[in-house]
Amino acid sequence: GAVVSQHPSRVICKSGTSVKIECRSLDFQATTMFWYRQFPKKSLMLMATSNEGSKATYEQGVEKDKFLINHASLTLSTLTVTSAHPEDSSFYICSARVADTQYFGPGTRLTVL
Amino acid sequence: AQSVAQPEDQVNVAEGNPLTVKCTYSVSGNPYLFWYVQYPNRGLQFLLKYITGDNLVKGSYGFEAEFNKSQTSFHLKKPSALVSDSALYFCAVRARNAGNNRKLIWGLGTSLAVNP
Repeated sequence: GAVVSQHPSRVICKSGTSVKIECRSLDFQATTMFWYRQFPKKSLMLMATSNEGSKATYEQGVEKDKFLINHASLTLSTLTVTSAHPEDSSFYICSARVADTQYFGPGTRLTVL
Repeated sequence: AQSVAQPEDQVNVAEGNPLTVKCTYSVSGNPYLFWYVQYPNRGLQFLLKYITGDNLVKGSYGFEAEFNKSQTSFHLKKPSALVSDSALYFCAVRARNAGNNRKLIWGLGTSLAVNP
């Protein structure tokens, strides 16, 4: 099956700093990747759709200047949380689509102190 | 509007017993339907999908799901539950003719607990 990796798996940072999360498709090329946020025991919230070579499409209510997404190649998308605050602490999960199916990375636990 | 309902927040079942995790949907036209499983502090793993063809779909780890168009349901089932099946299960749907709007619509998840 399609394998998606994320790095780092866990990050702790101070308030006001920026954090970059990488999402890679390991054995396939992904023109479209998705970034989700998940709160404890809650469903997934789609933040944005990342398209290779073009600007990401953000969901309503998601600040594009705070959550910067770059999809510079067919195997890599990055999410940068800028000027992180404690309320940004969450589990961030990326996903890449192969044909009609989305495959997910293992997630990144962000804790902002 | 498209929507997915997982009516049970939690399902408890004894090991060895059959399990069912329910999912109903509302979408225009014919749907693409998916089930994913999430173990603690992990991403989602794809279990199975219905695209077309046989209404009974078999997936990973012995799971299966049946597409019922008249009831707009896609319940996940397994004949004999294992303790290791304990996890969070998500149902998702996408309209077949979504065009550029190919986002998945997610249910809120059902926590499955299989008791020894």
